[in-house]
Amino acid sequence: EPEVTQTPSHQVTQMGQEVILRCVPISNHLYFYWYRQILGQKVEFLVSFYNNEISEKSEIFDDQFSVERPDGSNFTLKIRSTKLEDSAMYFCASSDWGNYGYTFGSGTRLTVV
Amino acid sequence: AQKITQTQPGMFVQEKEAVTLDCTYDTSDPSYGLFWYKQPSSGEMIFLIYQGSYDQQNATEGRYSLNFQKARKSANLVISASQLGDSAMYFCAMREGQGSQGNLIFGKGTKLSVKP
Repeated sequence: EPEVTQTPSHQVTQMGQEVILRCVPISNHLYFYWYRQILGQKVEFLVSFYNNEISEKSEIFDDQFSVERPDGSNFTLKIRSTKLEDSAMYFCASSDWGNYGYTFGSGTRLTVV
Repeated sequence: AQKITQTQPGMFVQEKEAVTLDCTYDTSDPSYGLFWYKQPSSGEMIFLIYQGSYDQQNATEGRYSLNFQKARKSANLVISASQLGDSAMYFCAMREGQGSQGNLIFGKGTKLSVKP
C-alpha cells in the first residue's frame, strides 16, 4: 500500500538553528499538508500546498516557516530559527481528488533544546 | 467555539467488549467529511474510517463503525470486540467542503485503554 515517508524520524536541534523536515508524499497525490502535534495535545493544521503554491495556512504558520516542493517528489517544511515551543511531532500528509484519502506519514519528532 | 469536541479524555474497555468513542462537530457547511484516526504510542496517525455528510448509510470498516447522527451533529466511533492492540489515542477530525483538499480539524482525542 502506498505510504507517505518522513525523514528524519527524530531530530534534536539547538534553539535558533534552522531545520528542514522532509516528506515524500504518495506519488499521484496532488495536495500536501503539514500538521503539528505538541506533546499531549491535539493535531493542528499548519499549511496546505497545491500546484506548487500554498493554498491555505494557519495562524501558526508564521514567517519562520516555509514549505517547498523542490523536485517533484519531496515536500519540505523549513523552520528558519527554531524556538523551544517548536518542539512537537510534525506530520506530513497527502491527498488526491477522492472524497477521502488523507494519508499521514509517521511523523518527525522535533526537539528544540 | 470548538469545531470538533471529544468529551472523553480517557476510556477503559474490557477485552472483547464493544466501546463507543464520542465525537460531536460544529459546521454550517452542508458538505463535510468526518474522519477517525488512531494514534498508538509509537506516534503515527492511522486512518480508520470516513463518513461523508451526504452518505446515507453509516460507514463500516471491519471492527470499526461510525454512528453518524447528522441532526445531532455527532459521529461516534464504535469498536466491536476490543483487542489489546486497540489501546491508543483516537482522534475525530472534520474536513469542511467538497473533495479532499481542505485541511482537517482535529478534536483533542480520547485515550482508550483495553483491559485483559
